[in-house]
This record gives sequence, structure tokens and C-alpha cells, in this order.
Amino acid sequence: AQSVTQPDIHITVSEGASLELRCNYSYGATPYLFWYVQSPGQGLQLLLKYFSGDTLVQGIKGFEAEFKRSQSSFNLRKPSVHWSDAAEYFCAVGAGGGGNKLTFGTGTQLKVEL
Amino acid sequence: GAVVSQHPSWVICKSGTSVKIECRSLDFQATTMFWYRQFPKQSLMLMATSNEGSKATYEQGVEKDKFLINHASLTLSTLTVTSAHPEDSSFYICSAREPGGRGDTQYFGPGTRLTVL
Repeated sequence: AQSVTQPDIHITVSEGASLELRCNYSYGATPYLFWYVQSPGQGLQLLLKYFSGDTLVQGIKGFEAEFKRSQSSFNLRKPSVHWSDAAEYFCAVGAGGGGNKLTFGTGTQLKVEL
Repeated sequence: GAVVSQHPSWVICKSGTSVKIECRSLDFQATTMFWYRQFPKQSLMLMATSNEGSKATYEQGVEKDKFLINHASLTLSTLTVTSAHPEDSSFYICSAREPGGRGDTQYFGPGTRLTVL
């Protein structure tokens, strides 16, 4: 069975600083990988996804993620964080037919200091 | 991007009553919808996969008689929590997938906060 680990429960960064959120996955085949963001009391918004091809994926809001098969990782990065980026971030791996069955990590809560 | 709505956004009910939550895909047809449950400060747990015109597929440990799912059309799936109890209080989120292709994106609704007194 697939699994996702997000080692950092909470991260605090200063506005304007760079950000990297870690995600490690376990899956026997080529994974479908996603990063979602959730604001308080809200549903999830897709930031980016990886299915195949270029291992560096660009997403919305200036985020990017790099798929590293050798490390089973899919870390999310942003060069300069904005206060509005404060939210909960979830990494997910898709399995099953077409990668539709998502397994989520436990999330990383991002706090941005002004 | 595609929009998924949920109704109601929050509901408070008495123990023993049933609650219905609707999930709609507003600008696309979704042959498959998913229902998740999220406990405070925790991740989303997949409850069931809902396919239009057929029975839902429930994840291990999810009581199908308690969480009734109906996917009667390509734009609407409903989750009914029957005989709700306080332990059913949670944040329920649905998602919808556009048909066709591999690894299609799931678009998530805003969630429904259920509180059972």
C-alpha cells in the first residue's frame, strides 16, 4: 500500500524567505504526486502535480516541486514566501487506476512571520 | 479550474438524526466523486469512491450502512450520515474527477463541518 510522510508538522518562516516543505512517499510503481494547500475551514486547492516527464514541476502561486525517484521525495519549494502563503500543505500520492485514489500525508502547517 | 461545491457548509444536529451532504461539480461532469473525512489537525482519510450510476466503493473500516452514498447524476453525489452520533462529528470533504485520461486531477469542495450534539 502507498504511504506519504511529511516529516515537518509545523514550519515558521519569515516573509520573503525561501521555503521547502518535505514529502517522502512509498509506492511500488511510478507515482502520481500532488501538493495541495488548505486554508482554515476550507477545502483543498491543487498547487501542482507530477505524473511523468520533467521532474521539476511548476505550480500556481510561485510554487515548484522536484520529483526525486532515488530519494522517494517530492519536496515543495518557493523562493520567496508571502504572508498569504500561511496555510496547511498536504502532499499526496495517487494510486489505483489512473492514480485516482489519493493517500495524503499528515500535512505541514506553515506560519509566516512578518 | 473546475469548481466543486458542497452544501451545507456546516450543520449541527442532534444525536440519532440523519444528515445529508451534497457535493456538486458546477462546470464539469464527474463520473467519479470521492468522500473524505478530516479530523482536527489531521489529514484527509478517504471514506469511499462514488461512481455515477453504481454502488459506492467503501474503504476498509467505513460502515456503508452508516455513511450512505448516492451518485445519481454526473454532477451530484450525496453523503448521508445516518443515526449520527457525536463521534461522527468531523469535517467532510468531497472531490470530483473529470472523466478520461490518467492521473486526472481531483477538484475538492470547500467541506462540510458536521457537529453532532
